[in-house]
Amino acid sequence: QLVESGGGLVQPGGSLRLSCAASGFTFNTYAMTWVRQAPGRGLEWVSAVSSSGGTRYYADSVKGRFTISRDSSRNTVYLQMNSLRAEDTAIYYCAKEGEIIAMAGIDFWGQGTLVTVSS
Amino acid sequence: SYVLTQPPSVSVAPGKTAIISCGGDNIGIKTVHWYQQRPGQAPVLVIFDDSDRPSGIPGRFSGSNSGNTATLTISRVEAGDEADYYCQVWDRNSAHRVFGTGTKVTVL
Repeated sequence: QLVESGGGLVQPGGSLRLSCAASGFTFNTYAMTWVRQAPGRGLEWVSAVSSSGGTRYYADSVKGRFTISRDSSRNTVYLQMNSLRAEDTAIYYCAKEGEIIAMAGIDFWGQGTLVTVSS
Repeated sequence: SYVLTQPPSVSVAPGKTAIISCGGDNIGIKTVHWYQQRPGQAPVLVIFDDSDRPSGIPGRFSGSNSGNTATLTISRVEAGDEADYYCQVWDRNSAHRVFGTGTKVTVL
């Protein structure tokens, strides 16, 4: 199970931290990823972190503003989002990858948390 | 950056076959995954590694990948297959996961 939290309404330029609590699988074994979907739009990959936390990848649209991290003691992955823009408004999905980052399909998804950036 | 192009929509009668294309430059040398997203729900992986099915996905779903086009085929289409479908690859050059533009499948 993947349960996201931390979404909500934030003003442009503001910050939010999304959390994703994982259960039902060996968290330390798998890479984790965030994917977002703007209202009425398609899927957009945002960021991924390896099982160890040592490798992180970011989409160009969020690089330098978002930071992905994970805490193995809490079985939780985070997405720190700074300098938010209106175009960051979307449902943010936390999802499980394979054991090697970026190689496998994304085989388990959370239900998503809505982030709205508006004044 | 790498671009994956899908037809915006495909319409199919129940019991017939839906074919969804995913075009990309030399996509045949990449590994393609496919996702189904029903309205209001999170995506579900239906094909991984070009043509493999996760457990629980019906055998009516199949995939192939060659040249500049990957294809998702849904045989004996059912009303429950009505959804948006996305292809996806890993682009080594940019170190990005890339999703296709998405195809809405309508069951007539």
